[in-house]
Amino acid sequence: DAKTTQPPSMDCAEGRAANLPCNHSTISGNEYVYWYRQIHSQGPQYIIHGLKNNETNEMASLIITEDRKSSTLILPHATLRDTAVYYCVLHAGNNRKLIWGLGTSLAVNP
Amino acid sequence: DGGITQSPKYLFRKEGQNVTLSCEQNLNHDAMYWYRQDPGQGLRLIYYSQIVNDFQKGDIAEGYSVSREKKESFPLTVTSAQKNPTAFYLCASSPRTGNTEAFFGQGTRLTVV
Repeated sequence: DAKTTQPPSMDCAEGRAANLPCNHSTISGNEYVYWYRQIHSQGPQYIIHGLKNNETNEMASLIITEDRKSSTLILPHATLRDTAVYYCVLHAGNNRKLIWGLGTSLAVNP
Repeated sequence: DGGITQSPKYLFRKEGQNVTLSCEQNLNHDAMYWYRQDPGQGLRLIYYSQIVNDFQKGDIAEGYSVSREKKESFPLTVTSAQKNPTAFYLCASSPRTGNTEAFFGQGTRLTVV
């Protein structure tokens, strides 16, 4: 199964863009990249997903490199409420198993 | 409101006792999942079910059991055979087909003393 690698922690100033990287160099052609975030002691919350095109929704943007070996989640204007652990997750085919890495702990500072 | 509900939020049990964690969803999702999360770790899959009366082992199924008698319910039993049961347990659901996100419950923190 493909794995993801993320930096363990990052800081961001409130109001600035937060760019969270993820490496998935062994991703398969049919695997989607999903991003979730988890606020302490709560269930993960879906943010965005994509296959090979860049995606944007009301929460974030997802940039996937052309070779699909890495991606970046962008929170355009980070707020204190965006402080959480962000997981880059690969959707492993039809059985819907999600492969979870260790995530990036993002601290948004005032 | 539609969603996925886990209960209770906190659970304490004595070592050697079986305990059942509840997970209910009203999203009409076919697929449901149980994950375990330990401090500082990602989620690890225990069991998953893609349809009623069918389920498959995940990566760490030993010491756990599940049932899927109804579409909306997927209870997890932590048995006395599970060597390190203290953890945060998360239930999720999703449509069986198509690429859509999984919806998670708020989790149950189980402490075995």
